[in-house]
Amino acid sequence: AQSVSQHNHHVILSEAASLELGCNYSYGGTVNLFWYVQYPGQHLQLLLKYFSGDPLVKGIKGFEAEFIKSKFSFNLRKPSVQWSDTAEYFCAVNAPNDYKLSFGAGTTVTVRA
Amino acid sequence: GAVVSQHPSRVICKSGTSVKIECRSLDFQATTMFWYRQFPKKSLMLMATSNEGSKATYEQGVEKDKFLINHASLTLSTLTVTSAHPEDSSFYICSATPAQRGGFDEQFFGPGTRLTVL
Repeated sequence: AQSVSQHNHHVILSEAASLELGCNYSYGGTVNLFWYVQYPGQHLQLLLKYFSGDPLVKGIKGFEAEFIKSKFSFNLRKPSVQWSDTAEYFCAVNAPNDYKLSFGAGTTVTVRA
Repeated sequence: GAVVSQHPSRVICKSGTSVKIECRSLDFQATTMFWYRQFPKKSLMLMATSNEGSKATYEQGVEKDKFLINHASLTLSTLTVTSAHPEDSSFYICSATPAQRGGFDEQFFGPGTRLTVL
C-alpha cells in the first residue's frame, strides 16, 4: 500500500509570494500522482496529475508540480499566489492498476491580501 | 463534464436512526465509486469501493453492517449509515471514475454530505 506525507500543515503567505508544498510518497512501484484542491465550502477539484512523461506537470490556475523519482517527491508550486488560492491542498497517489487513492493529510494555505 | 452530485448536502438525525446518502454521476457512467470520510482538519479516509452490480469492498476497520453501500446502476451509489451514533457525525464524500476511460487515472468528487447525529 502507498502512503503519502505532506510536510506543511498550515502555510500562511502574502499575495504575490511564491508557494511550494511538499509531498512525499512511499511505494516501491510506479505510481500516478495527483494534487487536489478544496476551496472553502467546495468539493475537491483536480489541480494536476502525473502519470508518465515529462516530470514537470502544469495544471490549472498557474500551478505546477515536479515529480522527482529519486526523492519520491511530487512538490506543488505556484510562482505568485492570489488571495483566491486560500484553500486546502491534498496530494494523492495510486498505483497504475488500482483505482484506490491514498491521500496526504492536507496542507491549509492561507493567502493574506 | 464529469460532474458528481450528492444528496442531501447536510442532514441532522437522531441517534439510532438510519440515514441514506446518494451519490450520482450526472454526465457519465461510473463503474466504480468510492466513499470517503473526512474529519475536521484531516485528510480523506477511504471507507469503501463500490462497483456496479457487485458487493462493495470495505477498507480495514470500516464496519460493513453499519455502512451499507449499494451501487445499483452505473450512475448511482448509496451509502446508508445504519443506527447512527454521534461518533458517526462527519463529512462523507463520494467520488466516481468514468467507465469509458477504462483506466485508473482520475476520480471526480462530489460536494460532500455533512452528517450530524444528535
